[in-house]
Amino acid sequence: IVLTQSPGTLSLSPGERATLSCKASQSVPNNHLAWFQRMPGQAPRLLIYGASNRATGIPDRFSGSGSGTDFTLTISRLEPEDFAVYYCQQYHVSPCTFGQGTKVEIK
Amino acid sequence: EVRLVESGGGFVKPGGSLRLSCAASGFTFTNAWMTWVRQAPGKGLEWVGRIKSKTAGETTEYAAPVTGRFTISRDDSTNTLYLQMNSLKTEDTAFYFCGTFYGSGAWGQGTLVTVSS
Repeated sequence: IVLTQSPGTLSLSPGERATLSCKASQSVPNNHLAWFQRMPGQAPRLLIYGASNRATGIPDRFSGSGSGTDFTLTISRLEPEDFAVYYCQQYHVSPCTFGQGTKVEIK
Repeated sequence: EVRLVESGGGFVKPGGSLRLSCAASGFTFTNAWMTWVRQAPGKGLEWVGRIKSKTAGETTEYAAPVTGRFTISRDDSTNTLYLQMNSLKTEDTAFYFCGTFYGSGAWGQGTLVTVSS
């Protein structure tokens, strides 16, 4: 399953809403789709699993939605620590592919 | 507290071998499907492979670039995941992370593997 993320880069200001897209080349079974945040020098931070379930400790400004082939990560109000690279991953079918990433940068 | 701690990374020459470990705590390791992913310098996240739980047959699956060279195993008696890496190539240079989606998920801090002559 090929995952295509868009846009490649999102330039926004703190307080703004971020909407990230992840489109799959075929339906992701059981909505086994996750979102990760990646910051330099830190572990991948699991944000969302099962397309819409927030992982432990993740603030409620992060939300995931979608099913089948179209998935979205929304950050309702960007905080300074949210500027990072975000990856989606389907973890049902081997190989468990990642998207190429969306960079959320400060405008 | 759910915790995953990788170890075993280091510097190795092309063709060499290395074994990574991932110590798990805070969840029922026996029931968890465990995964290795990596990130090379300047590149995105790449799935390496996974091992299913014993009840699911302890089946292993691998990404094409590492098939035949890497082996994932687990020791449920010590809650430890392993990644045996043989015939290493320069393109295997990366941070390696272990993780699981069991429960609400957990991922480790990573260990750096550098393959260079």
